[in-house]
Amino acid sequence: GQNIDQPTEMTATEGAIVQINCTYQTSGFNGLFWYQQHAGEAPTFLSYNVLDGLEEKGRFSSFLSRSKGYSYLLLKELQMKDSASYLCAVRGEVRGSTLGRLYFGRGTQLTVWP
Amino acid sequence: DTEVTQTPKHLVMGMTNKKSLKCEQHMGHRAMYWYKQKAKKPPELMFVYSYEKLSINESVPSRFSPECPNSSLLNLHLHALQPEDSALYLCASSQEQGGNIQYFGAGTRLSVL
Repeated sequence: GQNIDQPTEMTATEGAIVQINCTYQTSGFNGLFWYQQHAGEAPTFLSYNVLDGLEEKGRFSSFLSRSKGYSYLLLKELQMKDSASYLCAVRGEVRGSTLGRLYFGRGTQLTVWP
Repeated sequence: DTEVTQTPKHLVMGMTNKKSLKCEQHMGHRAMYWYKQKAKKPPELMFVYSYEKLSINESVPSRFSPECPNSSLLNLHLHALQPEDSALYLCASSQEQGGNIQYFGAGTRLSVL
């Protein structure tokens, strides 16, 4: 089966740094994605990791260790607008499909306080 | 431009109605997806189209009928829905190669009465 695990909720204050962890066990692995989703809106793509290591993009960074089945999303200099749900998703294999499919974690609701 | 456009934004329908959700992208993506999302839950995959052919059907009830008229358009036809089908329906698209990053539309908020 597929299992993507991430914390349900996190809180932090403006200007702080927060790390959201994600562990996974999936049938095959073809990349790990992080999405941000504000309430009632569409998920917005944040980052993609397919090789081990750190990918940095402005205030957001994402790390992957394939051997440990582990990723984290690091958010620096937090702003109020960063309050949202953060979804970890792994692309796993599907028989007969070259695309595979995304398996989503349940999302981590981040609340940023002033 | 990573825009996926969905219409309508909101839809209210009765259990005997027939309606359609529409999705459009002009990024040249050849893979398109339908997801269903309930409140405080992650998106659940329903269907995947690859090069306008149905590639994945996640055992979705037949009251949901997808259609891909061309590489830019994806429809979801709805018929005889149940109140528990009320949800946010999200469309996404991606390239076939490379990272296959999926870009989502804003969704259609569906209420079934």
